[in-house]
Amino acid sequence: DTEVTQTPKHLVMGMTNKKSLKCEQHMGHRAMYWYKQKAKKPPELMFVYSYEKLSINESVPSRFSPECPNSSLLNLHLHALQPEDSALYLCASSQDPGAGYGYTFGSGTRLTVV
Amino acid sequence: GQSLEQPSEVTAVEGAIVQINCTYQTSGFYGLSWYQQHDGGAPTFLSYNALDGLEETGRFSSFLSRSDSYGYLLLQELQMKDSASYFCAVRDRDSWGKLQFGAGTQVVVTP
Repeated sequence: DTEVTQTPKHLVMGMTNKKSLKCEQHMGHRAMYWYKQKAKKPPELMFVYSYEKLSINESVPSRFSPECPNSSLLNLHLHALQPEDSALYLCASSQDPGAGYGYTFGSGTRLTVV
Repeated sequence: GQSLEQPSEVTAVEGAIVQINCTYQTSGFYGLSWYQQHDGGAPTFLSYNALDGLEETGRFSSFLSRSDSYGYLLLQELQMKDSASYFCAVRDRDSWGKLQFGAGTQVVVTP
């Protein structure tokens, strides 16, 4: 299995809702990442998990809460989002947490906040 | 901090060769990688250069000159399916775990 699987593919949520994005990989990668991507823009790093521990939080608002239940799973819990949080949320993984290359990305969850 | 510059758009015909340049500024360079992203799709890893020189993978090649803080991605024998955005990305030696992406180059391949 050489894929990163993200669910759901599309999500529409209200500003008072709570939802979760899920990401799964079975490549034995030891690092997992959440990125946010706006249209026509590059991916922006949100969180890095290394060996199931949060190692980087890029000053992301607390309405985004990551969780890594085990080495294969990564969740992003969403609460009280704003319309400007609408974007494509990408999960990625890599074998070496520090290498900076060879990332495998999922197809993303396209989030719309209404 | 890190910054990367790459052209916003390149247009070429099928069968042509396209070179996408990327210049970077980092406090401690670690490596330059390239990703391809089709509209609505996931970024896909293409290549990585940590040392000076040319890396070839099929129709795609990537080059790095550390002394010039410069690299490029070369797309040969262009095909319609190569129409996509291409991002260069650097990992700074002092930014463990952080991959910084350039703004992306939209490659448009015409018949």
